[in-house]
Amino acid sequence: KAGVTQTPRYLIKTRGQQVTLSCSPISGHRSVSWYQQTPGQGLQFLFEYFSETQRNKGNFPGRFSGRQFSNSRSEMNVSTLELGDSALYLCASSFAGGSSGANVLTFGAGSRLTVL
Amino acid sequence: AQKVTQAQTEISVVEKEDVTLDCVYETRDTTYYLFWYKQPPSGELVFLIRRNSFDEQNEISGRYSWNFQKSTSSFNFTITASQVVDSAVYFCALSEVDSGNTPLVFGKGTRLSVIA
Repeated sequence: KAGVTQTPRYLIKTRGQQVTLSCSPISGHRSVSWYQQTPGQGLQFLFEYFSETQRNKGNFPGRFSGRQFSNSRSEMNVSTLELGDSALYLCASSFAGGSSGANVLTFGAGSRLTVL
Repeated sequence: AQKVTQAQTEISVVEKEDVTLDCVYETRDTTYYLFWYKQPPSGELVFLIRRNSFDEQNEISGRYSWNFQKSTSSFNFTITASQVVDSAVYFCALSEVDSGNTPLVFGKGTRLSVIA
């Protein structure tokens, strides 16, 4: 059974550019959550999508956005990149929803973004 | 608001020593779930255990054991006879249920280094 796949694994961008990260969940999982991981702030919740609808959103500026497609694959976009956006972006999937308390999230290996 | 504190930033032990990773949480909910995840150098978070707030039984799985105490709001994780392969960052996390759909909140993590 394939796990959660994130692409690209590594990327380098410059300030002001935009970036799109992709996440393919485990087959049958309908919820995708995104987290940002930095040394200073740790793991911070970005947003969660369930059946193509954003169900929850963390405290991030509007430059961070996402969407989910009918096949449950998800993308997140960061526009007008800042140095502080350098981080590991982790995607996680679950069957019923990461914000439903009991559900276990299965994480991908992440996309490491470096902003120069 | 929910909060998870892992006071130990880094721990270093010699192989075969026992080590306990501390986790203290804050929540106003009666129903909630606690988790432990492991993040090896590859980056993806690996699920270790989930415990609901009504189940205070300690759990043992091989060399791993967990001690959940509601009276002290703690959910500590012990590795017995540590091995080099246990070297990783370990995260404790909390998901509230009564408060509605809330995402998983993580502690800052404890980096465990097991030296041969």
